[in-house]
Amino acid sequence: QVQLVQSGAEVKKPGSSVKVSCKASGGTFSSYGISWVRQAPGQGLEWMGGIIPIFGTANYAQRFQGRVTITADESTSTAYMELSSLRSEDTAVYYCARSITIFGAVANDAFDIWGQGTMVTVSS
Amino acid sequence: QSALTQPASVSGSPGQSITISCTGTSSDVGDYNYVSWYQQHPGKAPKLMIYDVTKRPSGFSNRFSGSKSGNTASLTISGLQAEDEADYYCCSYAGNSTLVFGGGTKLTVL
Repeated sequence: QVQLVQSGAEVKKPGSSVKVSCKASGGTFSSYGISWVRQAPGQGLEWMGGIIPIFGTANYAQRFQGRVTITADESTSTAYMELSSLRSEDTAVYYCARSITIFGAVANDAFDIWGQGTMVTVSS
Repeated sequence: QSALTQPASVSGSPGQSITISCTGTSSDVGDYNYVSWYQQHPGKAPKLMIYDVTKRPSGFSNRFSGSKSGNTASLTISGLQAEDEADYYCCSYAGNSTLVFGGGTKLTVL
């Protein structure tokens, strides 16, 4: 069974960038979409964007356009999410999640496998 | 893209049935059959319960069911159990390769 294991917690200064990794183990990586979803403390879920590694092109939510970059390295079965120009409102748990459909688009699909989450704290 | 609208909280007694609504627009819920529902217990990652409006992941309990009418999707949980107490989120494709979540509903089992 596929598992997604994310990198550890991060503390960042306002204005800096953070890069979170999501490594897949135990199954196929390249053919399924990987999305990034964040959750601010006490708040709901928010989709940031996603990528299908074998195709390499990422889609982003409009509000993160220009500030987020999602990539994938097929050789290591790892997806990455980099968020720049960090502000306090970016403090959240960031999850990676795998699409349920092989070769399915990241946005018109559901997520059946989730990483454990990575806490990113933005504070001066 | 605005978040989908869910009630902040619902409650029910063990054995009862409850329904959580998720209201969107003709540009998301109303236009696509790509509505999914997630259950999230405190401190845990979300768990997929329903996808494509009505489908359940393999092996999942049939106490959970989904439906849609117009711009509103619904999640029904029958035979309520204590372990169903959690936050529930709906999610819909919103066109132009984007996805939108609902604000979440806290389910309390009395």
